[in-house]
Amino acid sequence: AQSVTQLDSQVPVFEEAPVELRCNYSSSVSVYLFWYVQYPNQGLQLLLKYLSGSTLVESINGFEAEFNKSQTSFHLRKPSVHISDTAEYFCAVSNTDKLIFGTGTRLQVFP
Amino acid sequence: DAMVIQNPRYQVTQFGKPVTLSCSQTLNHNVMYWYQQKSSQAPKLLFHYYDKDFNNEADTPDNFQSRRPNTSFCFLDIRSPGLGDAAMYLCATSTGASGGSTDTQYFGPGTRLTVL
Repeated sequence: AQSVTQLDSQVPVFEEAPVELRCNYSSSVSVYLFWYVQYPNQGLQLLLKYLSGSTLVESINGFEAEFNKSQTSFHLRKPSVHISDTAEYFCAVSNTDKLIFGTGTRLQVFP
Repeated sequence: DAMVIQNPRYQVTQFGKPVTLSCSQTLNHNVMYWYQQKSSQAPKLLFHYYDKDFNNEADTPDNFQSRRPNTSFCFLDIRSPGLGDAAMYLCATSTGASGGSTDTQYFGPGTRLTVL
């Protein structure tokens, strides 16, 4: 069975500081990996995903994540966060027709 | 804008009183999903439709039912809500083009259900 672990339930950080949100997964087969973001009072929306090819994937708003098969990780990083990045971030894994989500990490960016 | 709409955003019901949550989409996607998300927990898939084919998760209680009368609409019926059913209910869609595994899912804003 697949599972996703997001060890950090909350990550407080000051504006313009770097951030890393950790995600580890367990699966006995090849998987596809996703990061979804949920801004306050909105639905989840896709931030980025890894399907194949380059292990480093990027989003349009400066986030990136690296697929590390040996460490079964897909950590999300941003070199300099903005106040507007305050949101809940969910890591997810899929190898069938459904997503398995982690419990989420609340990123709080302070001025 | 094409989107996934959920109504109502907030629903209050009484213990044991049936309630229906609705979801509509203008994306013309084949697949529609219902998730339950409790506080500080991961969204949990309840069931999904691939077109008209209904797929129930093994651990979804019988108390939860769903209907999809057409491509655009999908309903979640809770026949006898208990206190433990209080949660955020999320609807999502995807094209289903790749069989689902690599598809991006598009989520509605959710309906927060309170059971008194």
